[in-house]
Amino acid sequence: NAGVTQTPKFQVLKTGQSMTLQCAQDMNHNSMYWYRQDPGMGLRLIYYSASEGTTDKGEVPNGYNVSRLNKREFSLRLESAAPSQTSVYFCATQRMTGRYDSPLHFGNGTRLTVT
Amino acid sequence: AQKITQTQPGMFVQEKEAVTLDCTYDTSDPSYGLFWYKQPSSGEMIFLIYQGSYDQQNATEGRYSLNFQKARKSANLVISASQLGDSAMYFCAMREGEGANAGGTSYGKLTFGQGTILTVHP
Repeated sequence: NAGVTQTPKFQVLKTGQSMTLQCAQDMNHNSMYWYRQDPGMGLRLIYYSASEGTTDKGEVPNGYNVSRLNKREFSLRLESAAPSQTSVYFCATQRMTGRYDSPLHFGNGTRLTVT
Repeated sequence: AQKITQTQPGMFVQEKEAVTLDCTYDTSDPSYGLFWYKQPSSGEMIFLIYQGSYDQQNATEGRYSLNFQKARKSANLVISASQLGDSAMYFCAMREGEGANAGGTSYGKLTFGQGTILTVHP
């Protein structure tokens, strides 16, 4: 089925460990995003990629890096995990249509716990 | 300052009744778009409805409608004939600037509110 696939679904890390969250889409969308969701704070943008080969910081980029590997894949890396990064991470895509009304399409999320 | 404010942490409604979820926004840009998403307990984010700042009529999608009051900067979601499956978290979100509806490209960034948990009682 077409959509946005995130791996892994769950992960537990110790403080200081590193890991990469993977996101792949088969919707042929140009733009991709990483958000984190924390209780009472909604979703906050970490990084985004308007198109293949470009990435930009969002609202809360500290402690993260991203790679837009190709049009399909956009990964999020935590180099040295901290308990403050315990969150649910969502990858999303958007087709660049030049119109304002195209919604974001979300993956099912990765629940990350840092102890 | 919060760009999107949802003042109702939790709402309760009886099955088959209508419910309004509040959303106010803050922007100085004349071009913007407003979205509502539903997040059931399973965690996925489901797009419900969209309203553009230049749209003359309130958006509707099935049982969902948007009460858009531009001067008051509010975009409340109305769910008619509530069903048990409507129990979920609901998020309001905004996309600003970049020449909305003027053919400009949009990088798609959405700013989200804190969400409202809706519980539908049988």
